[in-house]
Amino acid sequence: GQNIDQPTEMTATEGAIVQINCTYQTSGFNGLFWYQQHAGEAPTFLSYNVLDGLEEKGRFSSFLSRSKGYSYLLLKELQMKDSASYLCAAEGMDSSYKLIFGSGTRLLVRP
Amino acid sequence: ETGVTQTPRHLVMGMTNKKSLKCEQHLGHNAMYWYKQSAKKPLELMFVYSLEERVENNSVPSRFSPECPNSSHLFLHLHTLQPEDSALYLCASSQDKGHGLGYTFGSGTRLTVV
Repeated sequence: GQNIDQPTEMTATEGAIVQINCTYQTSGFNGLFWYQQHAGEAPTFLSYNVLDGLEEKGRFSSFLSRSKGYSYLLLKELQMKDSASYLCAAEGMDSSYKLIFGSGTRLLVRP
Repeated sequence: ETGVTQTPRHLVMGMTNKKSLKCEQHLGHNAMYWYKQSAKKPLELMFVYSLEERVENNSVPSRFSPECPNSSHLFLHLHTLQPEDSALYLCASSQDKGHGLGYTFGSGTRLTVV
């Protein structure tokens, strides 16, 4: 079967660092996406990992271990505007190109 | 705006009504998707269209009927819905073989069935 697991909610303090974990089991795995979704808005692209290792992009970094079926999103120097849901999605290709999503992690950043 | 436009943003309908959701993209993508997003659940893939042909239908009830008249437009026709169908319906588009490119999402239609 296909399964994506990530924590439901996390809370962190402004200026701190937070790590959001994601484990996945999918067929035809190509890569791993992270999306950010503010309430009432479209999910927007944050990062994509296809090879093992860390991809850094400003305050956000994403890590992938294909052998462990594991990824994390690291957010540094948290800002209030980072309060949002973070969606982990595995990229697959069988009969069609598609993304399989986790339930999302709702992050609350407190002053 | 993300490049994918969904209308209406909000919709309240009775269980006996018929309504349609519209999605439009002008990104040159050749695949379009409907997802259902319910509270505390993963995004559920409903339909996939590639080059205007439906390539996937994930056991969606027949009260949801998609239509893709061309590569830029996607509709979801709704009739005799149930209260549990209340959710955010997201449209997305991508290149058909879009490895690493992912999706571009619309802002969604918040549907409430009363």
